[in-house]
Amino acid sequence: AQSVTQPDIHITVSEGASLELRCNYSYGATPYLFWYVQSPGQGLQLLLKYFSGDTLVQGIKGFEAEFKRSQSSFNLRKPSVHWSDAAEYFCAVGARSNDYKLSFGAGTTVTVRA
Amino acid sequence: GAGVSQSPSNKVTEKGKDVELRCDPISGHTALYWYRQRLGQGLEFLIYFQGNSAPDKSGLPSDRFSAERTGESVSTLTIQRTQQEDSAVYLCASSLGTGGAGEKLFFGSGTQLSVL
Repeated sequence: AQSVTQPDIHITVSEGASLELRCNYSYGATPYLFWYVQSPGQGLQLLLKYFSGDTLVQGIKGFEAEFKRSQSSFNLRKPSVHWSDAAEYFCAVGARSNDYKLSFGAGTTVTVRA
Repeated sequence: GAGVSQSPSNKVTEKGKDVELRCDPISGHTALYWYRQRLGQGLEFLIYFQGNSAPDKSGLPSDRFSAERTGESVSTLTIQRTQQEDSAVYLCASSLGTGGAGEKLFFGSGTQLSVL
């Protein structure tokens, strides 16, 4: 079964600075990979996903993520953080089968300081 | 509807009582999922439906938990004889139901369950 690890529980970043959130997965083949964001009082929203092809994936809100097979990682990045990016971010992995189940990491909370 | 709707948004109950949590998925979405989010933890898969059937119930923590879906629409998650460890946010999501685990999930805002 697949699993996900997000090593950083909490990250604080200054507005305008760059952000990188780490995600490592465990799965025997190439999985589907996702990043979801949960803003305060709102439901989870998909930021981006990786299926195949180009390992650098662009998402909404200026986020991107890079799939690195050799490192079993799918780190999320943003070059310049805005105060509205303060939220909890979840990495998720899905198996390439008919299974619809996603496994989520424990999440990383991002605080943006002025 | 426009999005996934869950009710109630908050539920406080006493240990040993039964609770029902409701989820209205996006119209036309055949796949529906229940996840649990305990404080400080990631989302824990409970069950998913494809239409009215549940191919994967592997995440249900115990036989106190059950879920059903009728008319390929509304789903109800029932927890019997609630325990304090059941306290969590219960999230429902839906998707088109044609693409397996690669599909985009649309989440509701969740039901915050507190068992006293």
